[in-house]
Amino acid sequence: DAGITQSPRHKVTETGTPVTLRCHQTENHRYMYWYRQDPGHGLRLIHYSYGVKDTDKGEVSDGYSVSRSKTEDFLLTLESATSSQTSVYFCASAQGMNTEAFFGQGTRLTVV
Amino acid sequence: AQSVAQPEDQVNVAEGNPLTVKCTYSVSGNPYLFWYVQYPNRGLQFLLKYITGDNLVKGSYGFEAEFNKSQTSFHLKKPSALVSDSALYFCAVRDIDSWGKLQFGAGTQVVVTP
Repeated sequence: DAGITQSPRHKVTETGTPVTLRCHQTENHRYMYWYRQDPGHGLRLIHYSYGVKDTDKGEVSDGYSVSRSKTEDFLLTLESATSSQTSVYFCASAQGMNTEAFFGQGTRLTVV
Repeated sequence: AQSVAQPEDQVNVAEGNPLTVKCTYSVSGNPYLFWYVQYPNRGLQFLLKYITGDNLVKGSYGFEAEFNKSQTSFHLKKPSALVSDSALYFCAVRDIDSWGKLQFGAGTQVVVTP
């Protein structure tokens, strides 16, 4: 399996605070993704990256920002956390357009 | 714009019977298509993919999928389901004309009963 790790694995935060989730991959993959998983909604794409400093929005990007300053790291920031952002967040990476993505184990975020 | 739909929230099948999980997609260019499986409290595991060539692709654990361009479908199949196949299944699409955007369906819960 590809080496992709997410940190933290669990986090509880208060409404209005900023939160940063980290995704780290050791496979030199070009593409990286952030998804959120909620019951009944499946996996929804938040942001993705197609290279260092190259990112684009997904279908649920409001309230989230990302940065990719190095190939191996893709950061997801919730500028001001809200209860609606309570979710399980998954990071993934892929080498090329025609290759499968490999997923991290997920981060369970609770906003109280 | 690209999208993917899984019309069934849940599929119930008896062990030993054939299993089908449906997926349809929409892309502006040509698609790359993927199936993943998720077991409880786990990440997603890759099952198989269609890139080009033969419309019938075979993957892990005895699963296969058929690409149908005219119907824009990529249904997942298994000839004989096992209780251990009970899990959440996701279809995903990447448009060849996109910048690597990978979009998932809402998922289909498969329940295999003994």
